[in-house]
This record gives sequence, structure tokens and C-alpha cells, in this order.
Amino acid sequence: GAVVSQHPSWVICKSGTSVKIECRSLDFQATTMFWYRQFPKQSLMLMATSNEGSKATYEQGVEKDKFLINHASLTLSTLTVTSAHPEDSSFYICSASPGGGLGTGELFFGEGSRLTVL
Amino acid sequence: AQKVTQAQTEISVVEKEDVTLDCVYETRDTTYYLFWYKQPPSGELVFLIRRNSFDEQNEISGRYSWNFQKSTSSFNFTITASQVVDSAVYFCALSGGGADGLTFGKGTHLIIQP
Repeated sequence: GAVVSQHPSWVICKSGTSVKIECRSLDFQATTMFWYRQFPKQSLMLMATSNEGSKATYEQGVEKDKFLINHASLTLSTLTVTSAHPEDSSFYICSASPGGGLGTGELFFGEGSRLTVL
Repeated sequence: AQKVTQAQTEISVVEKEDVTLDCVYETRDTTYYLFWYKQPPSGELVFLIRRNSFDEQNEISGRYSWNFQKSTSSFNFTITASQVVDSAVYFCALSGGGADGLTFGKGTHLIIQP
């Protein structure tokens, strides 16, 4: 089946540094990828929709200047947490759908990336 | 706006018992998709089922079954003869399709005791 891979699986960084998380669709092309955030013992919240070749669409309350999303190719989207602070510590998960989205294809999730900001 | 309610925060049963996880949704879309995912302690999301709004047929997959009722906006998930390996957090989710992301419920933590 289709696979979505995230890297790194976990990362620890110092407060004030920036961290980049990659999301790759390994065996299909994804014009749209989604980024979610999950705080401990909470649900997943959609952060933004990443569109290949255009700007990402952010959900209300998500700072686009803090969470930079780049979807430069049909198989790669990156999320950069800029000037990370301890409150940004969370589990970040991406998802992708081949072809025309849910209407015609499945939706696949990456393994997730656990960010800890000291 | 879309909303998914999983009223059961935590359920604990003894192995081999049957257990039903409830999911109630709200949407103004006429076409939509419902999902169930399993999240073990490792964190990855395991896809269980997708159902579109035009298909109300119930589904059974091994010990898992799903009951979709549009009249009550519910999409409940039943595990029969539960096993310890079923212990996880289960999420119900909703999407309008196309370029929409998923709206997740808060999840139900299922504990299967040996």
C-alpha cells in the first residue's frame, strides 16, 4: 500500500532554534498534504493544508510565520517550526492523498514526529 | 463547521468482552467521509475504515464492525471478543472530501485487561 514517511521521528532542540520536519510520499504523488499537531493525551488538530507549488492554507489560530510550510515537489512537504519554544513541544503528523483527494483516493498518515523543546 | 464527538473518554473491559465505541458527527456537507483510526502508544495512526455518506451499509471486518446511521449522525465501532492488543486510543474523524483535512474527535482510550 501507499506509504507516507516522516523524518525525523523525534527531535530535541533548544528554545529559540528552528526545526524542520519532512513528510514524503514514497510511492505516489501528492498535490495536497496536511499537517496536524497532537498535544499529549489530546486529539489531532489540523494545522495547515500544504499545496504543491502554492502557499499553504493555515487553520485559524495557527501562526503562518512560525510554522513555515513548503511543498516544493509532489512527493515532499516540509514543516519548519521557527524559533521553537517549549509550548511548541508536540507530536506533528502529516498526511497525504494520491490523486484527487478523498473523493478518489485513500488518505495516508506518516509515522509522526515528536518534538521536544527544552 | 464540522464537529466529531466521542463522548467516551476511556473504556476499560476484560478481555473477550465486546465493546462499542461511539461517534457522533455534525456537518452541513451532503457529501462527506467518516473514518476510524487506531493510535497505539507508539503514536502512528492505523487506518481502520473509511465510509462515504452515501454508503450506509454496515461493515464487518473480522472482529471489527461499524454501524453507520445517517438518521442519528452516528458511526459507531464495535470490537467483538476484545483482545489485549486492541488496547489503544481510537479516533473517529470526518472530512468533506477534496482538499479538506480531517476533523478528529477527542478519541476514546480503550483498555483491554487480561
